[in-house]
Amino acid sequence: QLQLQESGPGLVKPSETLSLTCTVSGGSISSSSYYWGWIRQPPGKGLEWIGSIYYSGSTYYNPSLKSRVTISVDTSKNQFSLKLSSVTAADTAVYYCARWARDFGDDSSSSPALIDYWGQGTLVTVSS
Amino acid sequence: SYVLTQPPSVSVAPGKTARITCGGNNIGSKSVHWYQQKPGQAPVLVIYYDSDRPSGIPERFSGSNSGNTATLTISRVEAGDEADYYCQVWDSSSDPKVVFGGGTKLTVL
Repeated sequence: QLQLQESGPGLVKPSETLSLTCTVSGGSISSSSYYWGWIRQPPGKGLEWIGSIYYSGSTYYNPSLKSRVTISVDTSKNQFSLKLSSVTAADTAVYYCARWARDFGDDSSSSPALIDYWGQGTLVTVSS
Repeated sequence: SYVLTQPPSVSVAPGKTARITCGGNNIGSKSVHWYQQKPGQAPVLVIYYDSDRPSGIPERFSGSNSGNTATLTISRVEAGDEADYYCQVWDSSSDPKVVFGGGTKLTVL
């Protein structure tokens, strides 16, 4: 059974960088069938996609966060990570890591299609 | 920027049918996926590729997608179906991205 587990600080100061890691167990992050990525949910609000990465390192980012986001993958550790810079209170949220089934477009390009496995989520609060 | 519009809330009596809509420009040309999220839990996929059901999801859950509206239908609603529901697509425009709807709170009366 695949499991994803988020880890990282639960409290980050404004203007600093939020860093989270997702450890994947029960399956390989190097599978050609999946993307891996991050979604967040501010308290009482809806889901927001942050970005997704393929094991080769190819990424897609939410355009509204792109300037502040870096997602990376470490296949040797079966982990992927999120860095979000210059955080403010608006970045306070539950952060989920997830596995995305890979889809192919008419032009043979691939993309993350749907989430079939989620981590349990971790609350990150931005406050001084 | 591609936008998915969901009603904030839908209410239904037990045993009746709930329909949750997800509106988007020509959404019928995209693949729509639906997630159920109960309080304090991670979301769970309930419908994928418009109308397919993952294993373990009751047949009471079904989906359709045409024109500018996708619909999640829950038949014979039970108290345990009370949750937030989100639609999601991949927007392969010039700035490709995942898009989530704003979510719909399903209340079982």
